[in-house]
Amino acid sequence: DAKTTQPPSMDCAEGRAANLPCNHSTISGNEYVYWYRQIHSQGPQYIIHGLKNNETNEMASLIITEDRKSSTLILPHATLRDTAVYYCILGGSNYKLTFGKGTLLTVNP
Amino acid sequence: NAGVTQTPKFQVLKTGQSMTLQCAQDMNHEYMSWYRQDPGMGLRLIHYSVGAGITDQGEVPNGYNVSRSTTEDFPLRLLSAAPSQTSVYFCASSSGAGRGYNEQFFGPGTRLTVL
Repeated sequence: DAKTTQPPSMDCAEGRAANLPCNHSTISGNEYVYWYRQIHSQGPQYIIHGLKNNETNEMASLIITEDRKSSTLILPHATLRDTAVYYCILGGSNYKLTFGKGTLLTVNP
Repeated sequence: NAGVTQTPKFQVLKTGQSMTLQCAQDMNHEYMSWYRQDPGMGLRLIHYSVGAGITDQGEVPNGYNVSRSTTEDFPLRLLSAAPSQTSVYFCASSSGAGRGYNEQFFGPGTRLTVL
């Protein structure tokens, strides 16, 4: 599986938008970009995924660059409960997910 | 739906003991998998199954066995526990349908300590 690069940590003020970047310069044409998060000691939680187009759901928005070499997860109004490790993962059709170390997002009051 | 359930939540073993970590899902998902997570690390895939009767190895399979006799259950067996297997174990499932190949649902985890 292709790899992703994320900053180890980020801070965000409560109520502001949190923008989490991810680089995936070797992404294959059929690979989706998935975002999961893991709140302390809990199982990972799916957030969103996309292939080419930008995606939005009730949790977040996903912006994928036109060349697909990078993406940004946007939490529009971060709350203290959004403090978690966020994982950017590339996934094809083989069901396997390869987790890196992710980005620890700390939302501050 | 209960989603993905795991038992036990906590377990302490002595070196050489065997045990089975249980995982069950009630979403009729074909795909199930086991991951381990060591402190400060991401999750690593141990074994996975794409359907009843079909299993395969992941990134770190040594010391673990699995079987998939039903769609609902995917137990993970430690044959002879070692301190290196001290970790948090997560089970996950996915329907694998359409764009949701990797939209996986994770259980709450089993925290295992091997002394």
